[in-house]
Amino acid sequence: GAGVSQSPRYKVAKRGQDVALRCDPISGHVSLFWYQQALGQGPEFLTYFQNEAQLDKSGLPSDRFFAERPEGSVSTLKIQRTQQEDSAVYLCASSSEVAGGGETQYFGPGTRLLVL
Amino acid sequence: GQQVMQIPQYQHVQEGEDFTTYCNSSTTLSNIQWYKQRPGGHPVFLIQLVKSGEVKKQKRLTFQFGEAKKNSSLHITATQTTDVGTYFCAGPDGGSQGNLIFGKGTKLSVKP
Repeated sequence: GAGVSQSPRYKVAKRGQDVALRCDPISGHVSLFWYQQALGQGPEFLTYFQNEAQLDKSGLPSDRFFAERPEGSVSTLKIQRTQQEDSAVYLCASSSEVAGGGETQYFGPGTRLLVL
Repeated sequence: GQQVMQIPQYQHVQEGEDFTTYCNSSTTLSNIQWYKQRPGGHPVFLIQLVKSGEVKKQKRLTFQFGEAKKNSSLHITATQTTDVGTYFCAGPDGGSQGNLIFGKGTKLSVKP
């Protein structure tokens, strides 16, 4: 079946603009994660959804970052008033199991955000 | 907070040479996962180790989980150009709902 898809694949924003990044997880996957990956670094956790419930948003770097998954499938990560330090690849991952630390996560191709 | 560290950061090898990357966690892990990220790509799951002292093999790749479940290694025998990429280890964040804490990765380049 189809894997995790993300759109757009690339986004260039002017500093101060709002952006919205979309993630389509694997159909039926309960868990959805957002990660931020800076150049040359490993992915860093942003937030986690179990179905439509956002159970952990401890990794969101500021209140400019907001994520939702209203129907328990597609998720959107919104960044308001983008700053240059927001430039990174934003990765979405999904899993068929309720997150407990042992499940395999399947990653999407990511959205590469560049803030000028 | 919990940290996962990997060494080396970079490794350049001649095709046919062996390669090893090491992963150390600041805390005991219930499991450890390894991912490969090709240049320009996204992390792709390779394997999960759960048991203390576990060793798993995938063709030329050998994965080990330490006895104390705080360290792990990935060894590639006779590297090929298709092995190029960044190898990440990741462990579950014990203080959260199960997100992964990734190491910074080891970037492998293979000279033909």
